[in-house]
Amino acid sequence: EVQLVESGGGLVQPGGSLRLSCAASGFTFSYYWMSWARQAPGKGLDWVAHIKADGYEKSYVDSVKGRFTISRDNAKSSLYLQMNSLRAEDTAVYYCVRGGQPGGFDYWGQGALVTVSS
Amino acid sequence: QSALTQPPSASGSPGQSVAISCTGTSSDVGAYNYVSWYQQHPGKVPKLLMYEVSKRPSGVPDRFSGSKSGNTASLTVSGLQAEDEADYYCNSYAGSNNYVFGGGTKVTVL
Repeated sequence: EVQLVESGGGLVQPGGSLRLSCAASGFTFSYYWMSWARQAPGKGLDWVAHIKADGYEKSYVDSVKGRFTISRDNAKSSLYLQMNSLRAEDTAVYYCVRGGQPGGFDYWGQGALVTVSS
Repeated sequence: QSALTQPPSASGSPGQSVAISCTGTSSDVGAYNYVSWYQQHPGKVPKLLMYEVSKRPSGVPDRFSGSKSGNTASLTVSGLQAEDEADYYCNSYAGSNNYVFGGGTKVTVL
C-alpha cells in the first residue's frame, strides 16, 4: 500500500524557516517524480514544486522561487521542502504528492499544516 | 502561471449529469494532453479522478468522463449520486516541469 506521511509542520513567525519531510513507502520511491502541493485554509489547491526521480531536475511556482527548495533522499525514500523567508500567504496545508505528467498526481499524503503568524 | 479557470459552483439532481469546465491557455491546457482532475470531499485528501484528459485510474466509476477542446477541458459526472457532492479541481501540465491547478468547482447534489 502506497503511503506518504508528512511531518515538520507548525507555527512559524514571518521571515522564519521550516523544513517539511515526507516519508514514502509501498512503492519504489526512486522511480517516481514527486511534488509538493498546498491548500490555504478554505481555498483551492496550488502546485508548489516538483522534483525528478533522480533529484537533478526541480521546478517551482513563481511565488516560492528563491525561498523554497525541494529535495529528496532516494536511499531513505524521503522527500523534503525547505521553506525560508516565510510569509503569511504561505500559510496552508502542504501535501506530499506522487507523480505528475503523464499519469497525474496519483497519491497524496494527509498533509502538514504550516501557519505563518506573529 | 495563472490558475486555470473553473466555475465556482455546479449542481444537479440525483441521476442527472453535470459538466465542469476548465479553461486555460495555449501554453497549458491547449498545448498538452496532460489534464488531470481531482475530487476532494470536505476535510479529506484530494483523489485523482482522471488523467491525460480522459483516462480513469482503476476504481474510478465510468460515470466520470473527461474531454478537451482547444484551451478548455471538461469533466462530466453522469448519473449524479449523493457521494459526488465535493470540490473538483483540474490541473494541467504547463511545460518545463511546471503545473497549474484550477480554482476549484463545488458540486452540489440537489
